[in-house]
Amino acid sequence: AQSVTQLGSHVSVSEGALVLLRCNYSSSVPPYLFWYVQYPNQGLQLLLKYTTGATLVKGINGFEAEFKKSETSFHLTKPSAHMSDAAEYFCAVSDRGQGGKLIFGQGTELSVKP
Amino acid sequence: NAGVMQNPRHLVRRRGQEARLRCSPMKGHSHVYWYRQLPEEGLKFMVYLQKENIIDESGMPKERFSAEFPKEGPSILRIQQVVRGDSAAYFCASSLGPSANTGELFFGEGSRLTVL
Repeated sequence: AQSVTQLGSHVSVSEGALVLLRCNYSSSVPPYLFWYVQYPNQGLQLLLKYTTGATLVKGINGFEAEFKKSETSFHLTKPSAHMSDAAEYFCAVSDRGQGGKLIFGQGTELSVKP
Repeated sequence: NAGVMQNPRHLVRRRGQEARLRCSPMKGHSHVYWYRQLPEEGLKFMVYLQKENIIDESGMPKERFSAEFPKEGPSILRIQQVVRGDSAAYFCASSLGPSANTGELFFGEGSRLTVL
């Protein structure tokens, strides 16, 4: 069965600093991996996804993530944090063998200090 | 292009009442997923439906919860005899095909249920 672990429920960075949100997955089949962002009282918005091909994927708002099969990781990064990046971030893996629902991690709340 | 529409956005019920949450998927989408988000927790899968069929209900509580996606009209998540523990945000997502193939779900803004 697929599962996702996000290390750190809260991450705080200064504006302009590197953002690194960690995600490790477990999957019995080649995974589809996703990062979603949730702003307060809103739904989830797709940041980026990995399905096949290039292991470094770029998303919206300057975010990117790298699929590392050997480490079963899909960490999210952004070189320079902006105040508007403050939100909750969810890593997810697709349950491809069971109808394709997404299985989410617990989420990481990102705070950005001025 | 309307996205996934959920209503009501906020719902208050007393213990023992019924809650009905509605979800209209994006135009052309025939696959609907319901998730529940409890405070300080991630999203937990509840049920996956296609038109008139429940495909996967492995995340649905065995009692009081039901879901449908009729041929015409929105998908409905129904909670009977609500209890305080049902207080949560309920999110609906849709996809063009099974998300295993398309790889992406489009989410609504959620329905926030408060049980007094």
